[in-house]
Amino acid sequence: GAVVSQHPSWVICKSGTSVKIECRSLDFQATTMFWYRQFPKQSLMLMATSNEGSKATYEQGVEKDKFLINHASLTLSTLTVTSAHPEDSSFYICSAREWRTSGVGQFFGPGTRLTVL
Amino acid sequence: AQRVTQPEKLLSVFKGAPVELKCNYSYSGSPELFWYVQYSRQRLQLLLRHISRESIKGFTADLNKGETSFHLKKPFAQEEDSAMYYCALRGTDKLIFGTGTRLQVFP
Repeated sequence: GAVVSQHPSWVICKSGTSVKIECRSLDFQATTMFWYRQFPKQSLMLMATSNEGSKATYEQGVEKDKFLINHASLTLSTLTVTSAHPEDSSFYICSAREWRTSGVGQFFGPGTRLTVL
Repeated sequence: AQRVTQPEKLLSVFKGAPVELKCNYSYSGSPELFWYVQYSRQRLQLLLRHISRESIKGFTADLNKGETSFHLKKPFAQEEDSAMYYCALRGTDKLIFGTGTRLQVFP
């Protein structure tokens, strides 16, 4: 089956620094990738949708200058949390949709746990 | 606007008992509905979708457009069914999740 990887799986950083999270589709091409955020014992909240080669579309309330998303290729998207603060600590999950089965084939990464001190 | 509501945060049953996880949605068009499952320390994975009308691991879900519901059902719960279950809706391009229901199946 289709596999989505994320790196790193966890990261701890100091307040004010930037953190980059990578999301890769390992055995398929993803025309669209999604970034979600999940707080403890809560649901996944969609942050943004990115299509390869174009700017990401952010959900209401998500700061695009704080959460920079780059979808440079059909297999890689990155989320950079800029000037991170403790309130940015969360579980970030990416999801990739395979282009041939765009109606069904949306696969999730294992998530990245970010802790900002 | 797209919205998915899962009214129960926790559902606890004994092994062999029937299970129904409720999901209601709000969407003006024709949505695609999904159930995702997340087992402990594992990633989110698709359980089933309404279009395929299939049964996976004994679970079924029927889309009721009149009641705007997509409840997940299983006649006899197993301990290995214990997990978080998320109902999700795709209206346009994006997948929106409900708040999830934790299913606990006791032996």
